[in-house]
Amino acid sequence: AQSVSQHNHHVILSEAASLELGCNYSYGGTVNLFWYVQYPGQHLQLLLKYFSGDPLVKGIKGFEAEFIKSKFSFNLRKPSVQWSDTAEYFCAVNTSPGRRALTFGSGTRLQVQP
Amino acid sequence: SAVISQKPSRDICQRGTSLTIQCQVDSQVTMMFWYRQQPGQSLTLIATANQGSEATYESGFVIDKFPISRPNLTFSTLTVSNMSPEDSSIYLCSLLAGDRSYNEQFFGPGTRLTVL
Repeated sequence: AQSVSQHNHHVILSEAASLELGCNYSYGGTVNLFWYVQYPGQHLQLLLKYFSGDPLVKGIKGFEAEFIKSKFSFNLRKPSVQWSDTAEYFCAVNTSPGRRALTFGSGTRLQVQP
Repeated sequence: SAVISQKPSRDICQRGTSLTIQCQVDSQVTMMFWYRQQPGQSLTLIATANQGSEATYESGFVIDKFPISRPNLTFSTLTVSNMSPEDSSIYLCSLLAGDRSYNEQFFGPGTRLTVL
């Protein structure tokens, strides 16, 4: 079975700082990788996804993530965060073919200070 | 994308009672999922609900506690039975858009349940 680890549980940044949130997964086969965001009081939204091809994927709101297969990682980055990026960020994985349901990491709470 | 609505959006219930959560989708989907997000934690899959077949439950979740219905391709319900305070969570339904192996999941707004 696959699992997902997010090592940063709570990150506090000042506006304009750069962001990198770690995500590692364990699974020996082909995976699809996702980052979801949950803004305070709102439901989960998809930030970006990786299925195949270019390992550097760009998502909404200036976020990007890089899939490094050799490291089983899919870290989320943003060069300059804004106060509005304050949210909970979840990394998730499913397998293809196979388990279509998502396995989520424990989440990272990002707090951006103005 | 898909539009998913859930009812109720929140509820406060007494121990020992049951609550049925409804999930309505604006398009026909084969595969739906129910997740739970306990306070301060990540999402955990409860079960997969495909139309026309019995729901498939994850380890730690049983049909007697979380019965699921999937009467058609646009609707599903999850019942939380004989509730205890440990069931206080946000319950989310999710769907898999399309039938391709690389499709993505969309999530409903969630039902915030508090059990006293």
